[in-house]
Amino acid sequence: DQQVKQNSPSLSVQEGRISILNCDYTNSMFDYFLWYKKYPAEGPTFLISISSIKDKNEDGRFTVFLNKSAKHLSLHIVPSQPGDSAVYFCAASVSAFYLPGGGADGLTFGKGTHLIIQP
Amino acid sequence: DTAVSQTPKYLVTQMGNDKSIKCEQNLGHDTMYWYKQDSKKFLKIMFSYNNKELIINETVPNRFSPKSPDKAHLNLHINSLELGDSAVYFCASSPRRGPNQPQHFGDGTRLSIL
Repeated sequence: DQQVKQNSPSLSVQEGRISILNCDYTNSMFDYFLWYKKYPAEGPTFLISISSIKDKNEDGRFTVFLNKSAKHLSLHIVPSQPGDSAVYFCAASVSAFYLPGGGADGLTFGKGTHLIIQP
Repeated sequence: DTAVSQTPKYLVTQMGNDKSIKCEQNLGHDTMYWYKQDSKKFLKIMFSYNNKELIINETVPNRFSPKSPDKAHLNLHINSLELGDSAVYFCASSPRRGPNQPQHFGDGTRLSIL
């Protein structure tokens, strides 16, 4: 069962425009969310994160929005650049799992969205 | 300098064999992880290791065993390899254990079982 869903396998955006990548989750225990970027033959690289106590976090060209009631988050990239072409993974975690005896550790990832920036 | 390095990058072997994948991080991090990316491209946590405490994802077969000789290394041993073990395995590390700790990933080891 997919607890983190990225329903768009790919997205094509023109250079300079806004890229919006979406992510939905089903586990209401998730309270921390992260976005990772992955180039071919490399490991994922951390981009930006957001805690469930916030609804927006911004870092340069990257902004993540969280809508807890809809269990939805999105990553906005403005303006999009050719180097942004990569696979973007949404990931989520449960703070309680990190307490002593909390159980499973680590992140739950979505399947990824391949972003293609066209010149 | 590679922060999280895995060896080998590619591993091709036959069913039934035993193999190991090595992982080293030079970031001074306290926590290390192993993930498996299967054919459907899902990245799934297998293990996390922090201060000699091993946390195992309950779905991981006991043929898989992580070994940590020191804080900078977390190697993955796999016994009696099966066809379904074919995947890309990623090692990762984070400064500490916690949900808000960004994880730094290695470039992955592609394991192919013949």
